[in-house]
Amino acid sequence: GQSLEQPSEVTAVEGAIVQINCTYQTSGFYGLSWYQQHDGGAPTFLSYNALDGLEETGRFSSFLSRSDSYGYLLLQELQMKDSASYFCAVRDWDTDKLIFGTGTRLQVFP
Amino acid sequence: GAVVSQHPSWVICKSGTSVKIECRSLDFQATTMFWYRQFPKQSLMLMATSNEGSKATYEQGVEKDKFLINHASLTLSTLTVTSAHPEDSSFYICSAEGTGPYGYTFGSGTRLTVV
Repeated sequence: GQSLEQPSEVTAVEGAIVQINCTYQTSGFYGLSWYQQHDGGAPTFLSYNALDGLEETGRFSSFLSRSDSYGYLLLQELQMKDSASYFCAVRDWDTDKLIFGTGTRLQVFP
Repeated sequence: GAVVSQHPSWVICKSGTSVKIECRSLDFQATTMFWYRQFPKQSLMLMATSNEGSKATYEQGVEKDKFLINHASLTLSTLTVTSAHPEDSSFYICSAEGTGPYGYTFGSGTRLTVV
């Protein structure tokens, strides 16, 4: 099975940098992805790491270390609109199911 | 890009009644559709996987007789919550496999409130 753990909540101020960690236990997966979800909305794809290392997409970067079963999402130059829930997720190797992490609620303060 | 239209966006129903939620793929064929449920301040929990023309497979702990899934065509999958109770109040969201970023396209979700 798949299990992905995240901190439940993170707070930061506008302009700051925040890192959201994801530790996982999987039986086989294609890579680690990250989604953003605002209250009442659908998850929005942010980033994907198929290989170890850092992927940068604008203000957002994501990192994966398969040897450590660990990844993180880095958000820079935080804006109020970044206040949302963030989920790491994996696509199961055998079933193609997308399994979400426990989720991290980010609150950005002025 | 690929779009999955989910309806209704919100629904309020009386306890004991049934509610149907539809997910339509508008510009592609969705062979596989995943259904999730999300309680407030929790993660998205996979309920079931539906494949066009075959029976859905349910995750452990999900009652298949209560959550009826039909995937009769390549563009439509439905979830029916039967004999709804207040504890079924949740956010339900579908996801089609095969398109979209990272291979999944999500519907916009349905907020179900059972009173």
